[in-house]
Amino acid sequence: AQSVTQLGSHVSVSEGALVLLRCNYSSSVPPYLFWYVQYPNQGLQLLLKYTSAATLVKGINGFEAEFKKSETSFHLTKPSAHMSDAAEYFCAVSDRGFGNEKLTFGTGTRLTIIP
Amino acid sequence: SAVISQKPSRDICQRGTSLTIQCQVDSQVTMMFWYRQQPGQSLTLIATANQGSEATYESGFVIDKFPISRPNLTFSTLTVSNMSPEDSSIYLCSGRQGWETQYFGPGTRLLVL
Repeated sequence: AQSVTQLGSHVSVSEGALVLLRCNYSSSVPPYLFWYVQYPNQGLQLLLKYTSAATLVKGINGFEAEFKKSETSFHLTKPSAHMSDAAEYFCAVSDRGFGNEKLTFGTGTRLTIIP
Repeated sequence: SAVISQKPSRDICQRGTSLTIQCQVDSQVTMMFWYRQQPGQSLTLIATANQGSEATYESGFVIDKFPISRPNLTFSTLTVSNMSPEDSSIYLCSGRQGWETQYFGPGTRLLVL
C-alpha cells in the first residue's frame, strides 16, 4: 500500500521567509501526489498535484512542489511566506490506475507564520 | 472542479443517538468517499460510497455503525449510529473527478456528549 511521510508536524517561519514542507513517498513506481491545505475550521483545499507531466508543479497561492524520483520526495515550497499561509498542510498519495485508487494522507504539518 | 457542500456543518449530539450527514456535489463525480478526521489528526478513509449499491468499507469501519447511501452521482449520506464520545470528529465528504483529482467538502464537526 502507498504511504507518505511528512517530516515535521510543526513548522514555523517568519513572514517573508521561504516555506519548505517535506513529503516523502514509499513506492518504486511513481504515484500520483497531492498537497492539500486545511485552514482553521474548514475542509481541505487542493493546492497542487503531480500526475506525470512536468516534475515542477505550480499550485495556487504561490506554492509549488517538485517531484524527485531519485529522492522519492515531493516537497512543497513557497518563496515568501504570508500570514495567510498559516494552516495545516497534508501530503497525499495514490496509485496510478483507472480512477478507483484510494488516497492516503500523511500526518500533516502545521505551518505557523511569525510576524 | 467540483464544489462540495455538507449539512449540517456542526452538531452536538447525545450518546446513543444517530446523526445523518448529507453531502451534495455541484457536478458529477466518478467516486465519492467519506473520511473521518479526529482532533489534531490526519484523515482516515471510512468508506467509498457506491452509487446504487452498498458502500465499500475500510478495515475498522462497519455498515451497522456507519451506514452510507449514494442514490445518484452527486449526493451521498453518512449516518453515525448509536454515537459515543469516541465518535466526536470531523466527517468529510469527498468526490473524485477524472482519474485522480479529489475535492473535499467543508466537513461536519460532531461532538458527542
